[in-house]
Formats: sequence, C-alpha cells, structure tokens
Amino acid sequence: RKEVEQDPGPFNVPEGATVAFNCTYSNSASQSFFWYRQDCRKEPKLLMSVYSSGNEDGRFTAQLNRASQYISLLIRDSKLSDSATYLCVVRRQDTGRRALTFGSGTRLQVQP
Amino acid sequence: GAVVSQHPSRVICKSGTSVKIECRSLDFQATTMFWYRQFPKQSLMLMATSNEGSKATYEQGVEKDKFLINHASLTLSTLTVTSAHPEDSSFYICSARDVGGANEKLFFGSGTQLSVL
Repeated sequence: RKEVEQDPGPFNVPEGATVAFNCTYSNSASQSFFWYRQDCRKEPKLLMSVYSSGNEDGRFTAQLNRASQYISLLIRDSKLSDSATYLCVVRRQDTGRRALTFGSGTRLQVQP
Repeated sequence: GAVVSQHPSRVICKSGTSVKIECRSLDFQATTMFWYRQFPKQSLMLMATSNEGSKATYEQGVEKDKFLINHASLTLSTLTVTSAHPEDSSFYICSARDVGGANEKLFFGSGTQLSVL
C-alpha cells in the first residue's frame, strides 16, 4: 500500500465550478501535511499547509482528519489557471528524516 | 526570497555516459538537501538525503554506486548518474531545507529532465 494515496483523476470541470480532492495516508506517525501544485515538467510549489483545525486561503480550503488519516482540498470558483496536478504531501517525524512523501497527484483540468 | 538553483535543466546523453546535476541554495545554508526522481505520471520518489560533510542516506532500492551524491559545502549538493542507461531517463529534482527562520521551509530546484539515448 502506498504511503500517500490520491485519486489520479483527471477531474475535468468548467470554470467557476467547485472541486474537491481527497487523500489518505497510511502512516500514523505523519505529522505535517501539505498540498502542493505541480505544472507539467516543473517543480512542485507549495499551495498550503494543512492543519487539524482546517484552514482557508482565498478560494482554497484544506481539511485534515487525523483519526481517519484523511486530507482534503476544496477549490471554489475554479479558474483556468488552476489547471495542474495537485499533490498531497506528508512528512513523518518518527524516522528523524525531514523529507516529504508525495502522493502521485490528482490532475485537474478547468475548461472554459 | 530563498531560491534553490538546479542545473542543468535538461540533458540528453548517450547510454554509458555520466551526468552531473548541481543543486545550489542561493541565499541560505542548507545542511540537508533531498534528491527526488519522477517518472511520467508518477509521484516524486525520494532517492536520497544529502547531508553536508557526511555520507548521503539512500532510500531502499536506490543504488548508491550508481547515483553518487556529494554535499561538500553548505550551499551545494551534486548528484551524478554514472553510466546512465535509458531506464534512468527521468525528471530529477532537488530540494533544500532552510532552518534559519522561525519555521523550517523546503525549497525546490526547477528540476532536470534527463533523457538517455
């Protein structure tokens, strides 16, 4: 089983739509959670960190459920520029490593 | 802001040659850098953790003699793919930890697309 699992998509949505991505992680030692965005053949860019209380940044809302080991990202009022692959990312504390573990990503295509 | 510079951005080489990829932290000191590899439509997979002044830590299944990592200074880590073969063709990307501020941050290089013919 992969450490971080995501639905690969693609999600094809019209401009203005609301879209939600889900992610599950298998290791309960995971302590930090993030959503990254990656455009084709580019480096991933941090979209937002995810906190247990839930957090919002403009049109983006992230939620974390530690009991279910589940993370979500909600995008409201989708723009064409939101088209990208969204990576669910966790970082474990138990091994002492500080590297990130990436999900394989969910591809979003926003259409005019 | 902090920037990580990765070069080259693209390499095309013949099978059997060695390729060196550089990763530099431009305005912060990075005691730890990470090297990832990404095959098409797959996630970034951690290959190794590069520690300044000591040996790199490799992930399971990554050959340390094939992927040589050198982290000789606080701002530079290099990954050398030795005797590259077509199956090594991939997108290689580094990231560096900046622990200097109130919150630890990770910054990514822009990646290197390696194509081995």
